[in-house]
Amino acid sequence: SQTIHQWPATLVQPVGSPLSLECTVEGTSNPNLYWYRQAAGRGLQLLFYSVGIGQISSEVPQNLSASRPQDRQFILSSKKLLLSDSGFYLCAWSADRGNSPLHFGNGTRLTVT
Amino acid sequence: GNSVTQMEGPVTLSEEAFLTINCTYTATGYPSLFWYVQYPGEGLQLLLKATKADDKGSNKGFEATYRKETTSFHLEKGSVQVSDSAVYFCALSDRASGGSYIPTFGRGTSLIVHP
Repeated sequence: SQTIHQWPATLVQPVGSPLSLECTVEGTSNPNLYWYRQAAGRGLQLLFYSVGIGQISSEVPQNLSASRPQDRQFILSSKKLLLSDSGFYLCAWSADRGNSPLHFGNGTRLTVT
Repeated sequence: GNSVTQMEGPVTLSEEAFLTINCTYTATGYPSLFWYVQYPGEGLQLLLKATKADDKGSNKGFEATYRKETTSFHLEKGSVQVSDSAVYFCALSDRASGGSYIPTFGRGTSLIVHP
């Protein structure tokens, strides 16, 4: 069966520090991969998605970046965190079919101080 | 572009009450429709889905019917429990201009069930 792992679960970082959040998927190949941010207010903001290795689409211009160095690995990064980067970050995967749901990781709670 | 609109919350109910959370959508193509549930501090989980008109998705007592004529996918449950307290997201999946399927989510509706 397929599983998705996202870490760390919580992170407290000072303003200006770098960030690296990692997500890996097991049990499937060539998944679509997604990074979402959820601020207080519950809405989901799509940050990046990827349909293949090295293919990254950015939905929101900001100081975050994403990379997909391997088929089932998706990394969210920042060189210098801002206070506004605080939030709940969710990684997800899906098959590239219209009826395929998203499968989410357990999320990373990031607090920038 | 595509969009999903769901009712604002929070929805507050007593245990065993009937639940309806409204969801309507706009899409350029023929999307699949989904409901997800998020418990506090966790990621989202798929609750149910429907892939074509008049399909009914169901799971754990929740139901939703794909109504193409009204572009709606309302979530219902006949008798809610305290354990159903969570945030519910309506979503669609449609083929984007680049050919891949990109999901679109509503803003979420918080449900609070009191004993």
